[in-house]
Amino acid sequence: KAGVTQTPRYLIKTRGQQVTLSCSPISGHRSVSWYQQTPGQGLQFLFEYFSETQRNKGNFPGRFSGRQFSNSRSEMNVSTLELGDSALYLCASSLGASTTDTQYFGPGTRLTVL
Amino acid sequence: EDKVVQSPLSLVVHEGDTVTLNCSYEVTNFRSLLWYKQEKKAPTFLFMLTSSGIEKKSGRLSSILDKKELFSILNITATQTGDSAVYLCAVWANFGNEKLTFGTGTRLTIIP
Repeated sequence: KAGVTQTPRYLIKTRGQQVTLSCSPISGHRSVSWYQQTPGQGLQFLFEYFSETQRNKGNFPGRFSGRQFSNSRSEMNVSTLELGDSALYLCASSLGASTTDTQYFGPGTRLTVL
Repeated sequence: EDKVVQSPLSLVVHEGDTVTLNCSYEVTNFRSLLWYKQEKKAPTFLFMLTSSGIEKKSGRLSSILDKKELFSILNITATQTGDSAVYLCAVWANFGNEKLTFGTGTRLTIIP
């Protein structure tokens, strides 16, 4: 079975731009969660989508948004990029809700904001 | 605000040693505690613990949760160089809008 895939793997943007990251979960998985990892803040939970609905949300500003499609693929969007948004963005998928099922992580998208 | 604190921050031991990693938490409405191993890229799931006092085991790794004292430990016996990694602890909390809070991790280095 193919693992979680994320595209693109690397991205460079400038301040003020917006960016869309994509995540394809393991086949059959219905939950996708997004995380931000930085050296300063560590790993932080952004949000979780399950069956096209946002179930849970972390403490991030409204510039961070996401959605999930009927095939469970998910996208995350960050608008008006700031330098502090430079990070590794990870997505993880699970069969059911991520609060009870094992999550499998993708390789991440490294976003650099200049 | 929910908090997850891991100790030690880093640990260097020799191959064959046994190590114990600690994770304490202060959260509202605890749901579950998770352990991950992160080498170079994405974290790999190790354990999910929801019940107090029940040890979970996988090979040389084991973990237990104490919900009364609000902590968990991860034990690794007969360590190998492949165990070198950052070990992350995370806690799901709250009802309705669950939040996952991560600790800063323990960096474990195994010397051959």
